Amino acid sequence: GAGVSQSPSNKVTEKGKDVELRCDPISGHTALYWYRQSLGQGLEFLIYFQGNSAPDKSGLPSDRFSAERTGGSVSTLTIQRTQQEDSAVYLCASSRSPGNTEAFFGQGTRLTVV
Amino acid sequence: AQSVAQPEDQVNVAEGNPLTVKCTYSVSGNPYLFWYVQYPNRGLQFLLKYITGDNLVKGSYGFEAEFNKSQTSFHLKKPSALVSDSALYFCAVTVTGAGSYQLTFGKGTKLSVIP
Repeated sequence: GAGVSQSPSNKVTEKGKDVELRCDPISGHTALYWYRQSLGQGLEFLIYFQGNSAPDKSGLPSDRFSAERTGGSVSTLTIQRTQQEDSAVYLCASSRSPGNTEAFFGQGTRLTVV
Repeated sequence: AQSVAQPEDQVNVAEGNPLTVKCTYSVSGNPYLFWYVQYPNRGLQFLLKYITGDNLVKGSYGFEAEFNKSQTSFHLKKPSALVSDSALYFCAVTVTGAGSYQLTFGKGTKLSVIP
């Protein structure tokens, strides 16, 4: 596709359930980022992929959070045993190469844990 | 650790007046600097970047930014504000040669252009 695609766009889940968020980056983009944006807050870095490897996963808030990327393309962010504080908009971005090229963002997945 | 500060949560400016949105950064090494804009209910859009070379960079929608290494700043500017410029603006930094190209964002500045 022409842009970064994220699915679902909205997800409501019960506390304690697991959720999977999907990101389809722009074709050919080797770098992929996940961020979390809470209401009225800035972007909180979660994890960065270069190809299928994650050189920096320092932003993952707990071991309930994990992410993978396959085929140098699609990435999945998984949150296990969701908590109410996990409610936020999860943003994915990709760039042609890391560092000196701009990142393109998806529309995000709005996660609500009830 | 790298960081970005946007000291103003909100900036109000009259239409037609010049605008400035401030950004300072802290990194170990040479920075790559970016500005993004987020319109209501829309994703983040890239505005401009500084990689190397001329300290004054020009970007989309008439925006420009000046890299000042001594002041570690990268302020966003526009000579004449439009009501349609009202949005949330984010400054971001990454650093060369650090092994990780984590892109760190500031908390954002809400720009309101008053007709």
